[in-house]
Amino acid sequence: DQQVKQNSPSLSVQEGRISILNCDYTNSMFDYFLWYKKYPAEGPTFLISISSIKDKNEDGRFTVFLNKSAKHLSLHIVPSQPGDSAVYFCAASASLSGGSNYKLTFGKGTLLTVNP
Amino acid sequence: DGGITQSPKYLFRKEGQNVTLSCEQNLNHDAMYWYRQDPGQGLRLIYYSQIVNDFQKGDIAEGYSVSREKKESFPLTVTSAQKNPTAFYLCASSISRGNSGNTIYFGEGSWLTVV
Repeated sequence: DQQVKQNSPSLSVQEGRISILNCDYTNSMFDYFLWYKKYPAEGPTFLISISSIKDKNEDGRFTVFLNKSAKHLSLHIVPSQPGDSAVYFCAASASLSGGSNYKLTFGKGTLLTVNP
Repeated sequence: DGGITQSPKYLFRKEGQNVTLSCEQNLNHDAMYWYRQDPGQGLRLIYYSQIVNDFQKGDIAEGYSVSREKKESFPLTVTSAQKNPTAFYLCASSISRGNSGNTIYFGEGSWLTVV
């Protein structure tokens, strides 16, 4: 039962254009969402996050959009650069009783290739 | 520099042997985690610990064991009972947040190969 889905295994874009990475989730209890970037043989690096009380969060070239009714989030990278080429993971967590949450559930990742 | 240190980076193990992966953090984070990555499988949670001397099973804990005797350290033992131990193992940590999202930060990972 995959609760976080990244349906596109790969995405290829031209340098300078927009990259849009998509993620869908099924667990309505998820209330915090994150994007990580990962290079081969390295640990994932945290990029950006969004709480369910927001529908948009922006940090430089990275913007995350959350559509709770559709259980969908997306990461926009503008403009895309060759150094952005990596695997991008979407992750989600749900607040447990008492408000603390510890577990992240990850999607399977999308390989982004930005061509010069 | 603050961070999460995993060792060794590469490890080879013979079938039937136990092996322990080290994870140390100097971020003063309360919670620590072990994830495993397999090709096409994303990251799956093995064990996590919210505080010292306490830990919980994740989604794929069978064949693994952990300890949390110190806040800074969360070693993972891959036992001979783990059927498919060859994988990339990732340690992570986070601050325990009472009422907001939990961002976890990862180490550089350890490659385990069973030969």
